[in-house]
Amino acid sequence: DADVTQTPRNRITKTGKRIMLECSQTKGHDRMYWYRQDPGLGLRLIYYSFDVKDINKGEISDGYSVSRQAQAKFSLSLESAIPNQTALYFCATSDPLDTQYFGPGTRLTVL
Amino acid sequence: AQSVSQHNHHVILSEAASLELGCNYSYGGTVNLFWYVQYPGQHLQLLLKYFSGDPLVKGIKGFEAEFIKSKFSFNLRKPSVQWSDTAEYFCAVDRRRNNDMRFGAGTRLTVKP
Repeated sequence: DADVTQTPRNRITKTGKRIMLECSQTKGHDRMYWYRQDPGLGLRLIYYSFDVKDINKGEISDGYSVSRQAQAKFSLSLESAIPNQTALYFCATSDPLDTQYFGPGTRLTVL
Repeated sequence: AQSVSQHNHHVILSEAASLELGCNYSYGGTVNLFWYVQYPGQHLQLLLKYFSGDPLVKGIKGFEAEFIKSKFSFNLRKPSVQWSDTAEYFCAVDRRRNNDMRFGAGTRLTVKP
């Protein structure tokens, strides 16, 4: 079984809709991250969480929110999706040595 | 300005050619350095990392990288590439003081058989 899972894997939605992307991990790590990947821009950090009570904004948090429901779960929400949020979204965890483990990604298209 | 720079956007090589992908960062202070690889249709996975000690680090599949502190660089190398190395390669820098990871824009490597 995969250590970091993401649901859904693909989603097409319309402008203005609320979307939630979910991430679960079985690695027992405290730290979790949400990134978006865009061609030519690499990965950019949206939010990160060092434990259930610690949530921090990353480089590009505007238009996004997160919820850390448990150590194993970290959800990303788009309150009102817009087309420029079309991207590939990755969840990741990191171990105490800062090595990150990525999920398979969620491809989101906002029409 | 880009904090982590990968100057090569797309590199095309023939099998058995040598590879060097550049990575420079603009942070001062202590950093952890990583190279991640993303094979077509797959998620990112760690290739190698540097935290301290010997600046020449060896990773999986014959890859290595050298940390040159004076040049703020962490270039990835492989003496002889294979078709299966076709992938996108990302350099990442973890600024320990700030506890966040920054990625470069990525370099797409195409290896022709």
